[in-house]
Amino acid sequence: ETGVTQTPRHLVMGMTNKKSLKCEQHLGHNAMYWYKQSAKKPLELMFVYNFKEQTENNSVPSRFSPECPNSSHLFLHLHTLQPEDSALYLCASSQGSSGRNEQYFGPGTRLTVT
Amino acid sequence: QQQVKQSPQSLIVQKGGISIINCAYENTAFDYFPWYQQFPGKGPALLIAIRPDVSEKKEGRFTISFNKSAKQFSLHIMDSQPGDSATYFCAASKRDDKIIFGKGTRLHILP
Repeated sequence: ETGVTQTPRHLVMGMTNKKSLKCEQHLGHNAMYWYKQSAKKPLELMFVYNFKEQTENNSVPSRFSPECPNSSHLFLHLHTLQPEDSALYLCASSQGSSGRNEQYFGPGTRLTVT
Repeated sequence: QQQVKQSPQSLIVQKGGISIINCAYENTAFDYFPWYQQFPGKGPALLIAIRPDVSEKKEGRFTISFNKSAKQFSLHIMDSQPGDSATYFCAASKRDDKIIFGKGTRLHILP
């Protein structure tokens, strides 16, 4: 295991539902990331947090709302999603937010929007 | 604008053969080039990385070849094994900036 856990592993939700994805890292890292992985865009960076502060929002629609209460936990709150939002959502962490720092990925949450 | 172009999209290699995945970049400020490996049901994991001050880096059966003037780098997997079947992502980054991933190559090694 990489030291990054994600729950749930699978999620099916309707377009009117509200759900949250959770990520926890046990590596003592300072930076955490959300990625969306789909067939069209295999690794699409969504958000970056460094020391709990959001440092990157890659033009993500507001129906995705991240939350980072501390350096070990990261959430992605979902509401009013569209079917095209169905994808694998990956969380990652690293010692710092520089691209030179190795990123440790969790196993992902497979999201299906119906 | 795609800053890191990866090819091929998919690759099938016989067991024991050499797998080669190529990447090209545009930004000459990039100075760190990692490769990540992703198995089904898992997140990507760092496999090997290179800096542009060397032209080659080898770790076991995995070798990165780097051509700074051509702005290209490639991953070679020698004696490819079925257990190497995975998706491979090249990436690039520069100091104090985020990492940019390629679109990935799905590698399948025939037993």
